[in-house]
Amino acid sequence: KAGVTQTPRYLIKTRGQQVTLSCSPISGHRSVSWYQQTPGQGLQFLFEYFSETQRNKGNFPGRFSGRQFSNSRSEMNVSTLELGDSALYLCASSVDGSNQPQHFGDGTRLSIL
Amino acid sequence: GESVGLHLPTLSVQEGDNSIINCAYSNSASDYFIWYKQESGKGPQFIIDIRSNMDKRQGQRVTVLLNKTVKHLSLQIAATQPGDSAVYFCAESPNDYKLSFGAGTTVTVRA
Repeated sequence: KAGVTQTPRYLIKTRGQQVTLSCSPISGHRSVSWYQQTPGQGLQFLFEYFSETQRNKGNFPGRFSGRQFSNSRSEMNVSTLELGDSALYLCASSVDGSNQPQHFGDGTRLSIL
Repeated sequence: GESVGLHLPTLSVQEGDNSIINCAYSNSASDYFIWYKQESGKGPQFIIDIRSNMDKRQGQRVTVLLNKTVKHLSLQIAATQPGDSAVYFCAESPNDYKLSFGAGTTVTVRA
């Protein structure tokens, strides 16, 4: 069974631009979560989607948004990029998101110049 | 607010010895706990999980212990191998579709 797939693996942007990251969950998984990982803040929850609905959201500014499609694939968007947005963005999927293992992809490394 | 932390940021262990990684959590409402291993350049990899109605769970070479009285979680790795070198994270959830992660412990296995 294929794991969680995230594209692209690496991305370089400049301040003020916007970016869209993509995540394909494990087949049969309907819950997709996004996390930001930085050396200073560690792993922080961004949001979670199930059946195209956002069920929970972390403490990030409105520049961070996401969506989920009917096939469970998900995208997250960051607008007006800032230097501090440089991070590893991780996507995780699970069957239904309720107290069960979330399986992570290898992330998208976003660098802001 | 909620936080999940690890007692030690680094752990050095001799190959073949047992490793114990500790974690403290603060959210009394958490009822699900999970351990991940993250190797360089990869995403976190699921190791083992435990629900609050249990105090011990065993997997292959790993055991997780949960002490709800003192809000403490630990991961024991038996016969530590070089391939166990990685960063280990504990995470907790009060069933709100979100995991809160600790800061991580870097485990280095000495040959």
